[in-house]
Amino acid sequence: DSGVTQTPKHLITATGQRVTLRCSPRSGDLSVYWYQQSLDQGLQFLIQYYNGEERAKGNILERFSAQQFPDLHSELNLSSLELGDSALYFCASSVASRGDTQYFGPGTRLTVL
Amino acid sequence: DQQVKQNSPSLSVQEGRISILNCDYTNSMFDYFLWYKKYPAEGPTFLISISSIKDKNEDGRFTVFLNKSAKHLSLHIVPSQPGDSAVYFCAASSLGAGSYQLTFGKGTKLSVIP
Repeated sequence: DSGVTQTPKHLITATGQRVTLRCSPRSGDLSVYWYQQSLDQGLQFLIQYYNGEERAKGNILERFSAQQFPDLHSELNLSSLELGDSALYFCASSVASRGDTQYFGPGTRLTVL
Repeated sequence: DQQVKQNSPSLSVQEGRISILNCDYTNSMFDYFLWYKKYPAEGPTFLISISSIKDKNEDGRFTVFLNKSAKHLSLHIVPSQPGDSAVYFCAASSLGAGSYQLTFGKGTKLSVIP
């Protein structure tokens, strides 16, 4: 158990819909990272937050957004969903903003029908 | 353009023998490297890391070797156990350049045969 929690574990929705994925980091960790794992692309970095502020952006679509709240939990919002958005979404956390070891949650499996 | 490559999608090893998983990278700005293990339906679990100022790091049965000139790293597991059967991901970041996100390889599936 990494100490990072993600909800829900599974999500099934239809194209065009909007969903919110939630992540709670390990106690004491200030950084939260979101990654997408699809069959053909492997694990891809989406976005990083540190203590409530956006720190880095990766291959995140404009239809996707995230935020980190004062209690340090984070939410990833996916809108106008397409079939290709079906993937595993992982959250990871670390102590600082300088990329020390990241610990991953169990993931949310999103299926878009 | 894959910056971190794991060229072997799978590897089978006998229990008790050494497992060697390889990883190559192309981005010379990478200065921190990690190995993660992943079981089905779980998130990646951190195994071991190495900074570019070192060429070896050891933790129990796991040793990571870094060859900067060849842009190559490897993970050695000795002795291999059936519980080591999982997908292993190599990852890299560029701490010195202020880039904290991890760039992952596509993974190598290790099967340890009893």
